[in-house]
Amino acid sequence: KQEVTQIPAALSVPEGENLVLNCSFTDSAIYNLQWFRQDPGKGLTSLLLIQSSQREQTSGRLNASLDKSSGRSTLYIAASQPGDSATYLCASHTLYNQGGKLIFGQGTELSVKP
Amino acid sequence: DGGITQSPKYLFRKEGQNVTLSCEQNLNHDAMYWYRQDPGQGLRLIYYSQIVNDFQKGDIAEGYSVSREKKESFPLTVTSAQKNPTAFYLCASSKDVLPGANVLTFGAGSRLTVL
Repeated sequence: KQEVTQIPAALSVPEGENLVLNCSFTDSAIYNLQWFRQDPGKGLTSLLLIQSSQREQTSGRLNASLDKSSGRSTLYIAASQPGDSATYLCASHTLYNQGGKLIFGQGTELSVKP
Repeated sequence: DGGITQSPKYLFRKEGQNVTLSCEQNLNHDAMYWYRQDPGQGLRLIYYSQIVNDFQKGDIAEGYSVSREKKESFPLTVTSAQKNPTAFYLCASSKDVLPGANVLTFGAGSRLTVL
């Protein structure tokens, strides 16, 4: 059974710092891995999707990498801004999931201080 | 603009009452999902539907029911059998459920509180 873990649960950094959020998963037989952003009391917004055949995806200041062999994905945020403050969740879509179900990590709550 | 609309945003329920959360999408997506989110935990799948008039249980379906009479709509009923219903409920949709490049689109969520 796939388990997805995100450490740390919370992270506080000063504005302008580059940072890395970590996501680990136990089953490497994945179709893809997705990163989402969630603002307080809101729904999730998809940030990046990495297919199993890909190593990384980039969107603006965000770069997500995938290493299936080690069961890890990272989300790199360059030059962080206070507007980046949110909870970031990763989710995997494994080969044997029923009906396209995503398995989510618990999220990392990011706070970027001005 | 296309998207997913959930209503109500906040809902209060007395113990023993059934409540229904609405989810409507105009994205022409075939697949729809209901997730539950509790503090400090990831999202957990309640039910999902691949096509009209068909739906499947997720990991925590007990105490919940759904219907899919229209492609655009996937309401969730939280029944009195659900022992701990206070949570944030998220509806999502995707073009289909086939694995691959499916990106989920989420609604803004509904927060249910049991009084």
